[in-house]
Order: sequence, then structure tokens, then C-alpha cells
Amino acid sequence: DGGITQSPKYLFRKEGQNVTLSCEQNLNHDAMYWYRQDPGQGLRLIYYSQIVNDFQKGDIAEGYSVSREKKESFPLTVTSAQKNPTAFYLCASSMGQHSNQPQHFGDGTRLSIL
Amino acid sequence: KQEVTQIPAALSVPEGENLVLNCSFTDSAIYNLQWFRQDPGKGLTSLLLIQSSQREQTSGRLNASLDKSSGRSTLYIAASQPGDSATYLCAARTGANNLFFGTGTRLTVIP
Repeated sequence: DGGITQSPKYLFRKEGQNVTLSCEQNLNHDAMYWYRQDPGQGLRLIYYSQIVNDFQKGDIAEGYSVSREKKESFPLTVTSAQKNPTAFYLCASSMGQHSNQPQHFGDGTRLSIL
Repeated sequence: KQEVTQIPAALSVPEGENLVLNCSFTDSAIYNLQWFRQDPGKGLTSLLLIQSSQREQTSGRLNASLDKSSGRSTLYIAASQPGDSATYLCAARTGANNLFFGTGTRLTVIP
């Protein structure tokens, strides 16, 4: 089945440590996105990528980094510079940058601090 | 900046009841509006997407309407079932990559 796979489902980070969240899609979508979800708040955009080898900062990119070396993959690294990383992270994709295309989401990764 | 509001934050209804969830947005210059369902600890499942030129979309027991001029969208659920219990999110798209989310309405359908 086509879809978006995020791993791991749960992740724990120690102080000063960088961690990487995986997002893979087999939908042949060009655009991919990373969101952060906190209790009582709407989803907020961290980074997005419209094509391979290109990505743009979203509203809350500080403390995060991404890469887009393959169309299928858009990993997110939470760096030690992100002082409040505890959240639910959601990856999404869409067919392209065209605004009429819906976004499809993975099942998320929950990141906690040890 | 676009702000999206969903009221109420939580709603409980008995099984079989018809219900309406509300979504309002401050900037009417949207490309489309998308409704999602989120189960606890899970990602978002897309339910309906309404383009700016459309007034409504239907899928099974779900009907979503859009009134751009008043900055409102509603999601109507007919004959609610316990399996409909989830958090429902709306998101307004104002650009190629600008999707603004509401904080959701948590629905509980009581058997």
C-alpha cells in the first residue's frame, strides 16, 4: 500500500544530543513537509521541500535541520539547539507545490527528553 | 497572518445524532480548506478538501461547506457513530506551502 512511514514511533533525547526522525513516502509525491504538534496548539510548519535537493524554512525552523537527497525521503534532525523539543512530529507529503493538492500525513513520532 | 479557530474545543453527543463542527479563518484569501481526523497518538487522516471555488464537498456521512466571504467552514456528520470519536482538525491553505491549522474539536460519540 502507498503511504508515508515515520520512524521511530517513540524517541528519547538526552541533553546535548542530536536525534534524527525518519520520513519515507512511496506515493511519488514531490513535496514533503515536517510539522510539530503541541498540546492545545495547531500544527506548526518546521520545514518543507518542493523538490529533491531543495528545502525551505517554515515558521519554526530554529533548532532543526533537514535534507532531501531522495524524492522518497525527508529526514528531520532535532539538534541540541532546540531547547524545547518535546512534541509530536508529523511528516506529510503532497503531489506538488500546487495549492489544490491535499496533504497526506504519516503516523507521527513522539519525541521526549530523558 | 492567517488564524484558524475551531469551536467548541470538545463535544459529546449520543450515538445517532447529527452534528456540526465549526471552523473560522481570518484571511478569506484561501486556496482551499481541508478537514482532517486525528485519532489519539496517530497522524492525520484527510477527510475532505474544498477548493476556494467550491461551496461544499461530500463523502459518505460527511459534508463540508465553505463560505469564504464570512471566513467559515463547517463539517456536518450525519448519524454519528462511536467510531467517529476523534479530534477533527481544519486547515486553511493560503499559498503553495502555507497550511494553517486550527487546534481541533475533540468529538466523543456516546453509545
